[in-house]
Amino acid sequence: GQQLNQSPQSMFIQEGEDVSMNCTSSSIFNTWLWYKQDPGEGPVLLIALYKAGELTSNGRLTAQFGITRKDSFLNISASIPSDVGIYFCAGRSANTGNQFYFGTGTSLTVIP
Amino acid sequence: GAGVSQSPSNKVTEKGKDVELRCDPISGHTALYWYRQSLGQGLEFLIYFQGNSAPDKSGLPSDRFSAERTGGSVSTLTIQRTQQEDSAVYLCASSGLWIRPSRGYGYTFGSGTRLTVV
Repeated sequence: GQQLNQSPQSMFIQEGEDVSMNCTSSSIFNTWLWYKQDPGEGPVLLIALYKAGELTSNGRLTAQFGITRKDSFLNISASIPSDVGIYFCAGRSANTGNQFYFGTGTSLTVIP
Repeated sequence: GAGVSQSPSNKVTEKGKDVELRCDPISGHTALYWYRQSLGQGLEFLIYFQGNSAPDKSGLPSDRFSAERTGGSVSTLTIQRTQQEDSAVYLCASSGLWIRPSRGYGYTFGSGTRLTVV
């Protein structure tokens, strides 16, 4: 199945810094999702995006649906230690029905 | 239940043995998915059930892998003659009819089953 390219693969940042990560696809998507996975847990949905250019926030998290519809971005402002985890993007197109394809993940480490 | 429940949470098995992994989705969710996550890797799609439709098995890596969903609810993923490369976390997710979800909706994942083949 299709897999999305997500970057960076890992990040090590100081507490308080801002974080940016992105996800790209070879296909046009009509929905993008961003998930966070804590160690030993399943991924939890953070933000959902539905149209090109859409910008949506969830607390210190902001995600954008790229205008090409082939990419999405997630920003975390003023990082804190509990932001540690793996962040996954997921997208679907009109051809994939309810099935989403997932990115390879960005592992975030926040240094206090 | 309130969330997606998977069992067992951990399974250690000997190479060559068969294993069964169980997923109990959120009540009323019509779609159920199985994913595999190898150490440090992303989510690899395995199989997708949607209502009474034939499942999408396109992600199953070999004929040693099979899954069924009984009564449109509980699903079992079976791996026959396990190999060491089958070691991974197996995640199950469910979703309802896809309407525009708000935060916290969409796919809901279980905590996974960590399979170790020794």
